[in-house]
Amino acid sequence: KAGVTQTPRYLIKTRGQQVTLSCSPISGHRSVSWYQQTPGQGLQFLFEYFSETQRNKGNFPGRFSGRQFSNSRSEMNVSTLELGDSALYLCASSPGTSNQPQHFGDGTRLSIL
Amino acid sequence: GESVGLHLPTLSVQEGDNSIINCAYSNSASDYFIWYKQESGKGPQFIIDIRSNMDKRQGQRVTVLLNKTVKHLSLQIAATQPGDSAVYFCAETGYSTLTFGKGTMLLVSP
Repeated sequence: KAGVTQTPRYLIKTRGQQVTLSCSPISGHRSVSWYQQTPGQGLQFLFEYFSETQRNKGNFPGRFSGRQFSNSRSEMNVSTLELGDSALYLCASSPGTSNQPQHFGDGTRLSIL
Repeated sequence: GESVGLHLPTLSVQEGDNSIINCAYSNSASDYFIWYKQESGKGPQFIIDIRSNMDKRQGQRVTVLLNKTVKHLSLQIAATQPGDSAVYFCAETGYSTLTFGKGTMLLVSP
């Protein structure tokens, strides 16, 4: 089975721009979660989508948004980029039922200049 | 201002030793726990999980112990190898949202 695929792997943007990151989950997984990883804050939960609906949301500003398509692929969007948004953005998928591990992609490294 | 990075605790062992990585979790309502390994430039990789109705679970060269009384989780790696060098995270969840610990860096010397 193919793992979680995230594209692109690297992105460089400037302040004020917006960016869209993509995630293809493991086949058959209906839940996709997004995380931000930084040296200062560690791994922080952004949001989770299940069957095209946002099921959980972390404590991030509204500039961070996401969506999920009918094939379970997901995108996250960050608008009006700030320097502090520089991070590794990780996507994880799971079947979506309780007590099932999430499996991660290798992330998108976003750098804001 | 200048950002301060996480100062990860580090465990240094010799190849062949057994390693024990500890984690204190925060939510007494969490009922599912996972250990992940993250190598440089990669995403977290699932190692082993345990449900709250268990106190021990074994995998290949790894054992997870759960002590709900003191909210403590540990990962034991037998016969540690250089390829085990990575950052290890514990994560807890009540349903679908994972809360991660700060991580421990494991360094294995040949």
